[in-house]
Amino acid sequence: SQKIEQNSEALNIQEGKTATLTCNYTNYSPAYLQWYRQDPGRGPVFLLLIRENEKEKRKERLKVTFDTTLKQSLFHITASQPADSATYLCALDMTQNAGNMLTFGGGTRLMVKP
Amino acid sequence: DTEVTQTPKHLVMGMTNKKSLKCEQHMGHRAMYWYKQKAKKPPELMFVYSYEKLSINESVPSRFSPECPNSSLLNLHLHALQPEDSALYLCASSRYKEEGPYEQYFGPGTRLTVT
Repeated sequence: SQKIEQNSEALNIQEGKTATLTCNYTNYSPAYLQWYRQDPGRGPVFLLLIRENEKEKRKERLKVTFDTTLKQSLFHITASQPADSATYLCALDMTQNAGNMLTFGGGTRLMVKP
Repeated sequence: DTEVTQTPKHLVMGMTNKKSLKCEQHMGHRAMYWYKQKAKKPPELMFVYSYEKLSINESVPSRFSPECPNSSLLNLHLHALQPEDSALYLCASSRYKEEGPYEQYFGPGTRLTVT
C-alpha cells in the first residue's frame, strides 16, 4: 500500500530563513500532490497543488517541487515569519473516479522564532 | 463564499447516545468528504460522496452512518460509539474530480468526546 512520510515531526527555524519540508512516498507515483496548512483546532487549508509533469510550482513565498524519480516533494517557505508557524501536511491524490481521495502524510510542525 | 460550516463545534456523548454531525457548503461542490483526525495525527478519510451518492467508504464501522440529503448538506449519524472514537471530525468539499484535480475545502471540525 502507498506510504507517505514527512521526514520531520517538528522543524524550528529563525525568522527570515527559508523553511524546507520534505514529503516522501513509496510505491506508485500519484498524479497529483497537494500541500495543506493546519493550525491547532482548525481544519486544513489548501496551499498548493502540483502535477506529476510539473517540476515546480510557486505562490508568493511558497514553492513546491515534485521529483517522481526520487518519489519526493519539497515544500519551501522563503523569508519565514512567526505567522507561518503551523503544521504542514502533504497529501497524495490517490486518483479515484469519485472525488479526490487524499491520503495525508503525518505532517511537519513548523515553528518560526522571532 | 468559500466556507464549509460544521455544527456543533463540540459534542460530548455517552456510548448509548445517538447524535448527528452536520456539514454545509454553498460553493456548488459536488464531492463531499468526512475525515477523522486524532490528536497529533493526520486526517484519515472515512467517506466520500459524489453527486449525493456514497462513492467511497473506507471500511468505517457501521456505528458511523453518513447521509447526503442534498448537494449542500452532509450529515454523519453516530450511534453506540466507543471512547476510542473521540476525535476531531472534519468535513470537506471539492469540485468533482472528472474535470481535473481540485483542492479540498475543510470545515473547522467537530470535536467529539465519547464518555
